This record gives sequence, C-alpha cells and structure tokens, in this order.
Amino acid sequence: QVQLVQSGAEVRKPGASVKVSCKASGYSFSGYYIHWVRQAPGQGLEWMGWITPQIGDTNSAQKFQGRVTLTRDTSISTAYMELSRLTSDDTAVYYCARENAVTNAFDIWGQGTRVIVSS
Amino acid sequence: EIVLTQSPGTLSFSPGERATLSCRASQSVSSSYLAWYQQKPGQAPRLLIYGASSRAIGIPDRFSGSGSGTDFTLTISRLEPEDFAVYFCQHYGSSPTWTFGQGTKVEIK
Repeated sequence: QVQLVQSGAEVRKPGASVKVSCKASGYSFSGYYIHWVRQAPGQGLEWMGWITPQIGDTNSAQKFQGRVTLTRDTSISTAYMELSRLTSDDTAVYYCARENAVTNAFDIWGQGTRVIVSS
Repeated sequence: EIVLTQSPGTLSFSPGERATLSCRASQSVSSSYLAWYQQKPGQAPRLLIYGASSRAIGIPDRFSGSGSGTDFTLTISRLEPEDFAVYFCQHYGSSPTWTFGQGTKVEIK
C-alpha cells in the first residue's frame, strides 16, 4: 500500500543537528512533492518546507531558512530533513507528507519522528 | 502572510450531535486550496476535505466542508465516538507556502 515510513526517535543536545528520513513505497516517489511538518508538544502543525523528488528543488518556510536542509535519494525512494543548530524549541514530532499533485493537499503522512533536544 | 484562525479552541458535544467547526482566513483565499485534517492523539493527521468541499478517499459522508473567501466550515453531521479528535484547516498559498490553523479540539461533553 501507499505509505511513508520515517526513521526512529532522536535525542540531541542543543547546538547539534538531526537528520530524519522518510521512505516512500507503493507509488512513484518521483511523481509527488514531499513536505515536512512539525508539531511541538501540545501545539499545532507547522509547515517547514518541501522537496521535489524528481529534480531535488526545495523551498522552506522563512523561519527555517538557513537551518533546514531537504534532500532525497531517488534510488531508495527516501527523502531527508536535516535541521541544524538545534534548541529546545525544536523539540517536536516531525512528519513527512505527500502532496497530491491535483489538490495540493497532503494525502499521505508518515508516522512521525519524535526529536527531543535536551542538555 | 495569510493567517488561519480556528475558534473556539475546544468544542464539546455528545455523540450523535452535529458539529460545526470554523476556519477564518485573514484575507480572501481560493477555496481550491483549503483543506481539513483530523488528528487523533499519538497519530499523524489524516486528510478529510480538500478544495474546501471535496471528501478525500475513504472519508465518511457525515463529514462535509463548505465556504469561500475568508470563512470556511467543517461539519460533522452526526458525531461518532471515533470523531472526537483535533481538526486543522490548511491553506496552500503563493510563494508557495502552506499554512495551518491552530486547530479545534472536539471533545465529549
């Protein structure tokens, strides 16, 4: 079935970086944008950015520019989100999601990756 | 930047009741790019409605969306026990960027 499977939980110290993976299966990975969305504890959803798997173009929310790196490896149908210079405010669950090309809505979501930033 | 406001933050209903949730945009937006998601504790969001009024695949017909311009509504015609959750609206805008509302929790009265 169509799914996105993310890597496991991570714990990092302030100032470090974290890289989360998102493996697609059940559909043509190159045909759909992949987005990253995060959710701090007890908070709402925050859009971070997207990548086009086919050519690797990226765009990110202004808040994260300079700190987030979105990449992909088409040979293994996997997208990556790396966030650097972590602070405690980056403690959150990070989701990848597939954008439906027709509706621009996020029709498939990964299960989420919990990232804890703590000294 | 468009801001989506969902109020109130929490609504209380009994099973079987009709629920109406609001999403207001800070400026007029295209209904083609307005979506609603449901999120249950410990789970990823699930797409319910896209294009303001079209149900996603597998979504029961008790869920419906409507609205245009700055005011959008998600209606659950008859609440089932599994519908008690948090609901988010989302807009796709220029730049391109995506914006979420802060969410409305539908709880059991």
